[in-house]
Amino acid sequence: SQTIHQWPATLVQPVGSPLSLECTVEGTSNPNLYWYRQAAGRGLQLLFYSVGIGQISSEVPQNLSASRPQDRQFILSSKKLLLSDSGFYLCAWNGGALAVTDTQYFGPGTRLTVL
Amino acid sequence: QKEVEQNSGPLSVPEGAIASLNCTYSDRGSQSFFWYRQYSGKSPELIMFIYSNGDKEDGRFTAQLNKASQYVSLLIRDSQPSDSATYLCAVASGGSYIPTFGRGTSLIVHP
Repeated sequence: SQTIHQWPATLVQPVGSPLSLECTVEGTSNPNLYWYRQAAGRGLQLLFYSVGIGQISSEVPQNLSASRPQDRQFILSSKKLLLSDSGFYLCAWNGGALAVTDTQYFGPGTRLTVL
Repeated sequence: QKEVEQNSGPLSVPEGAIASLNCTYSDRGSQSFFWYRQYSGKSPELIMFIYSNGDKEDGRFTAQLNKASQYVSLLIRDSQPSDSATYLCAVASGGSYIPTFGRGTSLIVHP
């Protein structure tokens, strides 16, 4: 069965510091991978998605970036965090068929607090 | 712009009652509809999906889809306090495999 991991689970960082969040998927190959952010009391905001190694699509221009160095690894980064970057970061995956019926499955998330 | 609307709630129901959660969407080309449950501080977990008009049942959960009226609902029978969570509706349209999520409805089941 497929499993998705995220780390760290929680993170407290000062404003202006760098960020690196990691997501890995097990038990599948060539998944589509996604980064979402959920701010307090708000909905899920799609940040980035990837359909393959090295392929990144950005949904929201901001100080965050994403990379996919391996088939089942997705990394979210920032060079300088802002207060507004605080939130619950979720990695998700679905099958690589790019079908409208593909179901997304979420990782456990990383709670980021920027002070 | 594709929109998915949910009443934020909270929806409060007594234990054992039927909870009815509703979701409307703007894109008539929508083809896939998903319901997720999210406990406080946790990530969303898939409850069920539906593609065709009508009802789909899975245990105590029933998803209802009406494409003509552009709404999808989730019924939870015999509600339990453990069902207390935020329920997210997600809709995917033809041409895009990335669903649009609603903001969720908070459900409280009180003993």
